[in-house]
Amino acid sequence: EVQLVESGGGLVQPGGSLRLSCAASGFTFSSYSMNWVRQAPGKGLEWVSYISSSSSTIYYADSVKGRFTISRDNAKNSLYLQMNSLRAEDTAVYYCASGGSCSSTSCYPLLLGDYWGQGTLVTVSS
Amino acid sequence: QSALTQPPSASGSPGQSVTISCTGTSSDVGGYNYVSWYQQHPGKAPKLMIYEVSKRPSGVPDRFSGSKSGNTASLTVSGLQAEDEADYYCSSYAGSNNFGYVFGTGTKVTVL
Repeated sequence: EVQLVESGGGLVQPGGSLRLSCAASGFTFSSYSMNWVRQAPGKGLEWVSYISSSSSTIYYADSVKGRFTISRDNAKNSLYLQMNSLRAEDTAVYYCASGGSCSSTSCYPLLLGDYWGQGTLVTVSS
Repeated sequence: QSALTQPPSASGSPGQSVTISCTGTSSDVGGYNYVSWYQQHPGKAPKLMIYEVSKRPSGVPDRFSGSKSGNTASLTVSGLQAEDEADYYCSSYAGSNNFGYVFGTGTKVTVL
């Protein structure tokens, strides 16, 4: 069974930092690119960041560029999001979501969200 | 990148069909065949229902279908069932200038 389990959310003051983790199991994590997607309370989904399977390629949404850092450890089947200089508008549920993958028989390079975690809530407030 | 435009709500009786539109631009929906649709029940994570405009992941009922014409993609749910009541979001790859994905504004589907 595929599982993505996020952790690390919580209440943080504006300007503070937080590190989210996402533990993967049930699929070949090292073969997939991965993403973070967030959802503010009562709002829609927003793509936050992408990392390729080998960590060689990384992208961020303009809203978090320069403040957030995505990383992964394929040996630990884990994805991370380091969030610095947090703002009230960063308050959201943060989901890790699988990205594209390629095998010998099929390739879905830009697939987003075949697998999702349950999300972890980040609240930025004083 | 601006959010893709979806109607806020849609509804239908059990057994009927409902179609949700998702309008973008030539830089996202119209430029790539990487449109996906997600179903989200309250308090739950999104679930992939359609990818690459019209493909269904294994396990998704064939009552769900997707299509695209120009800058507008559509999701049709046929034979509505009570469990289809949820929020639905479209997304598109939007990498013409910079890599990224853009999501739709979301549609609440109500089964009457």
